[in-house]
Amino acid sequence: EVQLVQSGAEVKKPGESLKISCKGSGYSFTSYWIGWVRQMPGKGLEWMGIIYPGDSDTRYSPSFQGQVTISADKSISTAYLQWSSLKASDTAMYYCARQKTGFDYWGQGTLVTVSS
Amino acid sequence: NFMLTQPHSVSESPGKTVTISCTGSSGSIASNYVQWYQQRPGSAPTTVIYEDNQRPSGVPDRFSGSIDSSSNSASLTISGLKTEDEADYYCQSYDSSRGVFGGGTKLTVL
Repeated sequence: EVQLVQSGAEVKKPGESLKISCKGSGYSFTSYWIGWVRQMPGKGLEWMGIIYPGDSDTRYSPSFQGQVTISADKSISTAYLQWSSLKASDTAMYYCARQKTGFDYWGQGTLVTVSS
Repeated sequence: NFMLTQPHSVSESPGKTVTISCTGSSGSIASNYVQWYQQRPGSAPTTVIYEDNQRPSGVPDRFSGSIDSSSNSASLTISGLKTEDEADYYCQSYDSSRGVFGGGTKLTVL
């Protein structure tokens, strides 16, 4: 059974750094792209970027390029989304999802709250 | 920038059929696959249609997808509506290998 399990909710202050994770199981982790999707409170889905764990090829949406870093550790089948300096506007639910032609399996989401 | 436009909301009665549209802003929507995702309140999205018109296992055949090149749009049709179909629905495609979501459509089944 394909599963994507994300790390737990985070509460951070503006300016702090953060790295959230997404662990894949039940399939060949290095053979599928993994993407990250943002959903701000009460808003729609936004495509942030994707990574191919097999060779770490990474593509970002122009809206998120330079704002976040997507990485993966294929030895532990885990993808990451990180911020170096959080802003209040980063408060959102973040989902990881496996990409085939589109997203087929989704993680449960990680709620990130940034507040002073 | 390529955009996908969906109606903000649609409503229909149980047992009826509803169609949600997703219109591409430029180019040909048929050039890249379109997916449809369902998101119930408080839950993660799930995939109901991939590759324009394919249903994942477990998704009932009441859900179908199509592409209309003449209007540069994709459509999600749900027949035999059930109250459990009430959710937000998002279309998604690609532009230069970067993904794009539509703004989402809230389906009310009343």
